[in-house]
Amino acid sequence: GAGVSQTPSNKVTEKGKYVELRCDPISGHTALYWYRQSLGQGPEFLIYFQGTGAADDSGLPNDRFFAVRPEGSVSTLKIQRTERGDSAVYLCASSQQGMADTQYFGPGTRLTVL
Amino acid sequence: QKEVEQDPGPLSVPEGAIVSLNCTYSNSAFQYFMWYRQYSRKGPELLMYTYSSGNKEDGRFTAQVDKSSKYISLFIRDSQPSDSATYLCAINAGGTSYGKLTFGQGTILTVHP
Repeated sequence: GAGVSQTPSNKVTEKGKYVELRCDPISGHTALYWYRQSLGQGPEFLIYFQGTGAADDSGLPNDRFFAVRPEGSVSTLKIQRTERGDSAVYLCASSQQGMADTQYFGPGTRLTVL
Repeated sequence: QKEVEQDPGPLSVPEGAIVSLNCTYSNSAFQYFMWYRQYSRKGPELLMYTYSSGNKEDGRFTAQVDKSSKYISLFIRDSQPSDSATYLCAINAGGTSYGKLTFGQGTILTVHP
C-alpha cells in the first residue's frame, strides 16, 4: 500500500516568507509526527498528533512554527517569517495508534531559506 | 550532554565484514529502542525494534540492549554494499512521552566491494 507522502519534495523560499509543508499519512494511521533533520544530524522531534489534536508539541522551537491536522488525516506544518536557520529536511511519520508503536517515515520536504 | 550519543563515523568496511554500531543514552526512563536505516535523500526506515535488555535477531541484523549500562548496539553480519547508508538509533521514553522519538546523530556506513 501507499506509504507516507510529503509535498513539496523541495521548497526554496526567501527569508521572512511564509511556507506550508503537507503530509499525507498512511491510511488508517491515527498518530502523526513531525521531525526536523539538519545536515549531518538525526531527526529532531517537533510535534505529535493523536487524531486531530496535538498530544505533544514540546519540540516546536518557537511560535513561528504551527501545525494542524483538522480532519485527523492530512497534516500541514506552517512556518511564519522564515529564517535561514529553518533550512532543513522536514520529515513526517505516522503510526497506527501512537503509544510506542512503529513510526513510518515519509521522504521529507527539503526546505531552503535564502 | 545529548540524551542520545552516537558516533557519526564515517565507518568504511569491506564486503562480508561484521559491522558494530553503538549508541549510549542518559535517561533511564527510556524503554523502547529502535534502529533505523536512512539512504541518501530518503526518510528513515525501521530495521529493529526492542523494548527489553538482551539480544534480538532478524536475518543478518542483531540488536542488543543493555539497560544497566544504557548502551545499545546493532550488529550487521556479512555486510553488503547495499547496506551502505546512515544508521540511526532512536529511543522512546514511553509513558506520557510515548509519541516522541529521540534520535542519535547517525553513523554513516560504507560497505565497499
